[in-house]
Amino acid sequence: GQQVMQIPQYQHVQEGEDFTTYCNSSTTLSNIQWYKQRPGGHPVFLIQLVKSGEVKKQKRLTFQFGEAKKNSSLHITATQTTDVGTYFCAGYSKAAGNKLTFGGGTRVLVKP
Amino acid sequence: DVKVTQSSRYLVKRTGEKVFLECVQDMDHENMFWYRQDPGLGLRLIYFSYDVKMKEKGDIPEGYSVSREKKERFSLILESASTNQTSMYLCASSTPQGITEAFFGQGTRLTVV
Repeated sequence: GQQVMQIPQYQHVQEGEDFTTYCNSSTTLSNIQWYKQRPGGHPVFLIQLVKSGEVKKQKRLTFQFGEAKKNSSLHITATQTTDVGTYFCAGYSKAAGNKLTFGGGTRVLVKP
Repeated sequence: DVKVTQSSRYLVKRTGEKVFLECVQDMDHENMFWYRQDPGLGLRLIYFSYDVKMKEKGDIPEGYSVSREKKERFSLILESASTNQTSMYLCASSTPQGITEAFFGQGTRLTVV
């Protein structure tokens, strides 16, 4: 079945530094979505990418969808303490119908 | 303001009990999902439904069943609760094939003792 993997599982970042989290799917995706879950909260939608090679930015966050539509990345520049949380990617594939599969998440801890 | 509401924030049940987790959405979404979240394992899909009375198994359906009698309501049932089902359960809803994002409920932390 469809599998979505994320690395790294944990990311310790010094405040002000950049980091990237990666998402890889075992199958071609129709789209990829990114979510953020703050400690004690529930996942909240950040962005969706649909086109091959698509790049979208939200302030300090840059999201990329791979050319083969099987991988994606989230890059955060100048990390702030407000970036603490777990970032999940999730995707639909045509083969899996309406099944939304999440990656394992990257838990981000920021050192002030 | 769109909402996905889960019936309980915290639940404590005994081993062997039948447990019902309820989820209601007010967005007229076709898709509804039940996930469980455990440390280090991310969000694992238990069951999902793409229409009333329709359901499909996710990645970890064993020990669970679901019911969707009305479009707005999706119930997760633990037929005989076991301690390994202690977890955070998250319900979500969306339009088909991710036309829009998934909206999550606040989660139910279930402890089986």
